Amino acid sequence: GNSVTQMEGPVTLSEEAFLTINCTYTATGYPSLFWYVQYPGEGLQLLLKATKADDKGSNKGFEATYRKETTSFHLEKGSVQVSDSAVYFCALGNRDDKIIFGKGTRLHILP
Amino acid sequence: EPEVTQTPSHQVTQMGQEVILRCVPISNHLYFYWYRQILGQKVEFLVSFYNNEISEKSEIFDDQFSVERPDGSNFTLKIRSTKLEDSAMYFCASRELGSYNSPLHFGNGTRLTVT
Repeated sequence: GNSVTQMEGPVTLSEEAFLTINCTYTATGYPSLFWYVQYPGEGLQLLLKATKADDKGSNKGFEATYRKETTSFHLEKGSVQVSDSAVYFCALGNRDDKIIFGKGTRLHILP
Repeated sequence: EPEVTQTPSHQVTQMGQEVILRCVPISNHLYFYWYRQILGQKVEFLVSFYNNEISEKSEIFDDQFSVERPDGSNFTLKIRSTKLEDSAMYFCASRELGSYNSPLHFGNGTRLTVT
């Protein structure tokens, strides 16, 4: 079946540090991959997506590349800010109707 | 930008009581979903709804749960007899297209506390 595994948190970094949050997936066929972000007290917001192999999704300085050979979709940002503190969810959409989510990674940025 | 709205933001109920969680999806969206998030844990799929019927449901979505789109704008989740383990954040989401390429748009959630 389909599943998403992402690195355990919390991740604590200093402002301007480089960020990587690892995500790997298991799926049949050619899923679409997403990163969602959840700020405190809010719902999930789409951060970026990629719909086929080698696509790179990007938004707000975050990037992730769909790597079919390693079944990965790692989230990266070159220089994080305090305002990036949130919970990040890797997610997968496949031929059925739903999107499934990883367990989430809490990111805490220190000023 | 249009958004999904959910009410109430927080619902407290006693075990065994019925609750109805309400959602207004984005107006031109056709696919509707409920997810739940138990505190600090993963976001779990409950049910998807299209064309006035359930298109898929998870094993969590047992006979105690039901969904309805009563009037063309609201989308509700009913829990008939709440249990302590139903305490969670419940998120409504909608999607414009049925394609698995299109993202979900989420509301801010209803925090359900069962005492």
